[in-house]
Amino acid sequence: AQSVTQLDSQVPVFEEAPVELRCNYSSSVSVYLFWYVQYPNQGLQLLLKYLSGSTLVKGINGFEAEFNKSQTSFHLRKPSVHISDTAEYFCAVIEGVKGNTPLVFGKGTRLSVIA
Amino acid sequence: DTEVTQTPKHLVMGMTNKKSLKCEQHMGHRAMYWYKQKAKKPPELMFVYSYEKLSINESVPSRFSPECPNSSLLNLHLHALQPEDSALYLCASSLNGLAGTDTQYFGPGTRLTVL
Repeated sequence: AQSVTQLDSQVPVFEEAPVELRCNYSSSVSVYLFWYVQYPNQGLQLLLKYLSGSTLVKGINGFEAEFNKSQTSFHLRKPSVHISDTAEYFCAVIEGVKGNTPLVFGKGTRLSVIA
Repeated sequence: DTEVTQTPKHLVMGMTNKKSLKCEQHMGHRAMYWYKQKAKKPPELMFVYSYEKLSINESVPSRFSPECPNSSLLNLHLHALQPEDSALYLCASSLNGLAGTDTQYFGPGTRLTVL
């Protein structure tokens, strides 16, 4: 069964600095990978996803992520963060081979952008 | 229209009350989901409906009863809840079901407090 590990529960970073949020997954089969963002008191919004093709995926709000199959990672990056990026970020995986398997979330990383 | 709507936004109920949460989408999606999210935790899958049939029930207590009256609507009926059921309840939808390439779109959630 697949699982997702987000290595950092909290990441503080100064405004306009770069940030990387780490995500590793484990699965014996091919997977599809997602990053969602959750702003305070709101639902989840899709930032980006990797299904196939280019391993560098660009998403909304200037975020990008790189799929690394050999390291089983899908780290999220942004070159310059803004105060408005303060939120909870969830990495999620779903096994791609068979149907009827649910989306599995990591425990989340709280990004706090400091002015 | 890429929106999933949920009503009410907030709900406070006693342990003997009966209430319902509602979710609606008009994207033509045929899969709809209920998640429960406790504070500072990732969403936990409760139920999945695919083509208006219950396809996944993650061993949820019977005091939670889902209903899918049509392809656009999903309800969650609540009865005799416990204080530990207080959480954010998120609805999501996806195009075809639990295929790996399907992206789940989330609603803003209903914040439930059980007294």
